[in-house]
Amino acid sequence: SQTIHQWPATLVQPVGSPLSLECTVEGTSNPNLYWYRQAAGRGLQLLFYSVGIGQISSEVPQNLSASRPQDRQFILSSKKLLLSDSGFYLCAWSGGTRTNSPLHFGNGTRLTVT
Amino acid sequence: AQTVTQSQPEMSVQEAETVTLSCTYDTSESDYYLFWYKQPPSRQMILVIRQEAYKQQNATENRFSVNFQKAAKSFSLKISDSQLGDAAMYFCAYRSAGFGSSNTGKLIFGQGTTLQVKP
Repeated sequence: SQTIHQWPATLVQPVGSPLSLECTVEGTSNPNLYWYRQAAGRGLQLLFYSVGIGQISSEVPQNLSASRPQDRQFILSSKKLLLSDSGFYLCAWSGGTRTNSPLHFGNGTRLTVT
Repeated sequence: AQTVTQSQPEMSVQEAETVTLSCTYDTSESDYYLFWYKQPPSRQMILVIRQEAYKQQNATENRFSVNFQKAAKSFSLKISDSQLGDAAMYFCAYRSAGFGSSNTGKLIFGQGTTLQVKP
């Protein structure tokens, strides 16, 4: 069966420090991968998605970037964190070849920028 | 661009009763998919139910069912025999049914409805 791992679960970082959140998927190949952010008590905002290795699409301009160095690995990064980067980050995958495939989410990372 | 609107920020229901959560969406596409996700306090996103727009029959999953009104662009979730474990935030989501390079699979989410279940 397919599983998705996301780490760390919780992170507290000072303003101006770098960020690296990692997500890996097991049990499937060539998945579509996504990074979402959820502000407190709010909906999910799509940040980035990837349909293949090295292919990254950005949904909103911001202080963050994403990379997909391997088929089942998705990384969210920042060179210098801002206070506004605080939030709950969720990685997700879907089966790219099946149009009705839902998103399957990781457990999320709670990021606090101080 | 597609949008999803959940007009009820909070709802409450008595245990064992039935509750309906509302969702409307805006799209010019004729083929798409709709989903309801549940997010309990653990913040894990759990798929509750899905609906294909080309299907007229409303989807059901045990105590969960939807009322899909394509012309009205409405997709409500009905929870029957509510249980304490149903307390969570519920999100409605839209996905285009694209093919090939347009099949990105990304979901557009509403703002969510927090459901409280009273014992």
